[in-house]
Amino acid sequence: GAVVSQHPSWVICKSGTSVKIECRSLDFQATTMFWYRQFPKQSLMLMATSNEGSKATYEQGVEKDKFLINHASLTLSTLTVTSAHPEDSSFYICSARGQANQPQHFGDGTRLSIL
Amino acid sequence: GENVEQHPSTLSVQEGDSAVIKCTYSDSASNYFPWYKQELGKGPQLIIDIRSNVGEKKDQRIAVTLNKTAKHFSLHITETQPEDSAVYFCAASPRNTGNQFYFGTGTSLTVIP
Repeated sequence: GAVVSQHPSWVICKSGTSVKIECRSLDFQATTMFWYRQFPKQSLMLMATSNEGSKATYEQGVEKDKFLINHASLTLSTLTVTSAHPEDSSFYICSARGQANQPQHFGDGTRLSIL
Repeated sequence: GENVEQHPSTLSVQEGDSAVIKCTYSDSASNYFPWYKQELGKGPQLIIDIRSNVGEKKDQRIAVTLNKTAKHFSLHITETQPEDSAVYFCAASPRNTGNQFYFGTGTSLTVIP
């Protein structure tokens, strides 16, 4: 149980393109979803927290107009990197949890490369 | 805010030996401590967790201990196998942050056959 699917797993696109990443909880309802960014050989950096039906809460230094998050249902959240540039290249990982005080379950991440 | 430190950053052990990874946290409001294993190119997978009302938890070859007074918790892997090789992250979650996780910096474990 507690499977989180993230898609796509890998994307390469040109500078200026917008890229959408999907995060789905397959066998449970995700009240809260989290989006992280991870640089090579580093820890996970929380970008934003989203609750179903509410606006996402962004961490300090994360541009909300750059990284658009939608959590329209209890099983789907999306992260859109708008007008992506090479410095946005990274490994993006989502996680989801059901009720409060339950563990977060992670997707397998999306490797984004902007040329 | 919460600050989690993790040591060592790299660890090599011979197959069959034990591996211990230690984390400290700063916020006494933290009450949930999960451990994740991340393989190359994959997302972190939960391997064990512990809540602040217990001092130790074991699941087969994996155990976690928690010392609330000293604010540190440790992951113990016994009888290590090559497939245990991965990056391990600890995390702490304060009860007043909506279950936000604060991650350690990770430990790259290599089990030598």
